[in-house]
Amino acid sequence: DGGITQSPKYLFRKEGQNVTLSCEQNLNHDAMYWYRQDPGQGLRLIYYSQIVNDFQKGDIAEGYSVSREKKESFPLTVTSAQKNPTAFYLCASSPSRGSNEQFFGPGTRLTVL
Amino acid sequence: KQEVTQIPAALSVPEGENLVLNCSFTDSAIYNLQWFRQDPGKGLTSLLLIQSSQREQTSGRLNASLDKSSGRSTLYIAASQPGDSATYLCAVSGPRAAGNKLTFGGGTRVLVKP
Repeated sequence: DGGITQSPKYLFRKEGQNVTLSCEQNLNHDAMYWYRQDPGQGLRLIYYSQIVNDFQKGDIAEGYSVSREKKESFPLTVTSAQKNPTAFYLCASSPSRGSNEQFFGPGTRLTVL
Repeated sequence: KQEVTQIPAALSVPEGENLVLNCSFTDSAIYNLQWFRQDPGKGLTSLLLIQSSQREQTSGRLNASLDKSSGRSTLYIAASQPGDSATYLCAVSGPRAAGNKLTFGGGTRVLVKP
């Protein structure tokens, strides 16, 4: 069953703590993306990776970090430097050839207490 | 910098009426445009993708048009049903060399009343 999985679905964090959000895909896609969505708004790009061991900052990378050690995995760490981390986080992937259509995971809702 | 706008932000129609959702973008140098559906608290489901060389795409009751020169796309949903109630997002991707990044509009929240 191919697709993109994100875990956990809900995450609660105390201020000052780092947390890591998981994103895994078995679609054999080269590119992966992390977006943030705030209530009533569209998505904003945090980081993206076009190939293993390489990633680029998106529009709102401050306070976040990523790694891409395996093709199927692209974890996102929300650090204590992120001033307003409460949001809905969405991971996506796309093939590097053809249509470049992006496919999304179910999302992780992060709440800072 | 690319900016994407969706108007209206919310729309309510009676069941059976056709839906017309608008998307505009400021930079016509796009690679493709995608329309997504999002249910509350869920991820995005891709509905249609239009390549920059195409004028429209169709899937069932859905039809999306693209006018790159005027920076507009329209999503038509024929004979709306209560199950079509959701938020619809459009997004454009920049030049392929820029990693196929998507720039999103703010979405249109649709309510189809039985």
